Amino acid sequence: DTAVSQTPKYLVTQMGNDKSIKCEQNLGHDTMYWYKQDSKKFLKIMFSYNNKELIINETVPNRFSPKSPDKAHLNLHINSLELGDSAVYFCASSQLTGNSPLHFGNGTRLTVT
Amino acid sequence: GQQVMQIPQYQHVQEGEDFTTYCNSSTTLSNIQWYKQRPGGHPVFLIQLVKSGEVKKQKRLTFQFGEAKKNSSLHITATQTTDVGTYFCAGTNAGNNRKLIWGLGTSLAVNP
Repeated sequence: DTAVSQTPKYLVTQMGNDKSIKCEQNLGHDTMYWYKQDSKKFLKIMFSYNNKELIINETVPNRFSPKSPDKAHLNLHINSLELGDSAVYFCASSQLTGNSPLHFGNGTRLTVT
Repeated sequence: GQQVMQIPQYQHVQEGEDFTTYCNSSTTLSNIQWYKQRPGGHPVFLIQLVKSGEVKKQKRLTFQFGEAKKNSSLHITATQTTDVGTYFCAGTNAGNNRKLIWGLGTSLAVNP
């Protein structure tokens, strides 16, 4: 199936831990994104990569570090997790940056206790 | 900075009633996209509007892009329980096509 897939679906961890979320797309898209959705449903862009190059880096704590080994993969590593990091994290991809539709993964629900 | 305002934040309707959500941008947009997110799901792309005054229909859904390309609306005729979810608009600034600016979403609840 052609899709954006991210793992894990759920992540429960304690404050101070380090965790990673992985994302892969087989749509042949050039651009990939990480979004954070809080409990109020607001979708906030965190990072965007175009062909492995970082093009959008919003005001995100440097505890969050994206890595794109190739244009089909975009992983997110989070150091020293805090309670406020609890949210749903969505990976997405698009053919072009900004002007073409986004295809979202199913999301990773992160709960920090 | 640029904002896309979306109203209402919540809407509760009886099945069969119509529903409309509106988006307004502080600046001219090059395009606007609409997404639907079902409860517990992920945003799914519905449509993209590019031209000034453009109107597109998908069955019971009608999408409009304003003449000045600063506002847009999504209208659902005769809502069904399957329409439940949060509807988001997102646009790109005419001067900066790289970044999609998202509305806060309108959550629709439909009573059967």
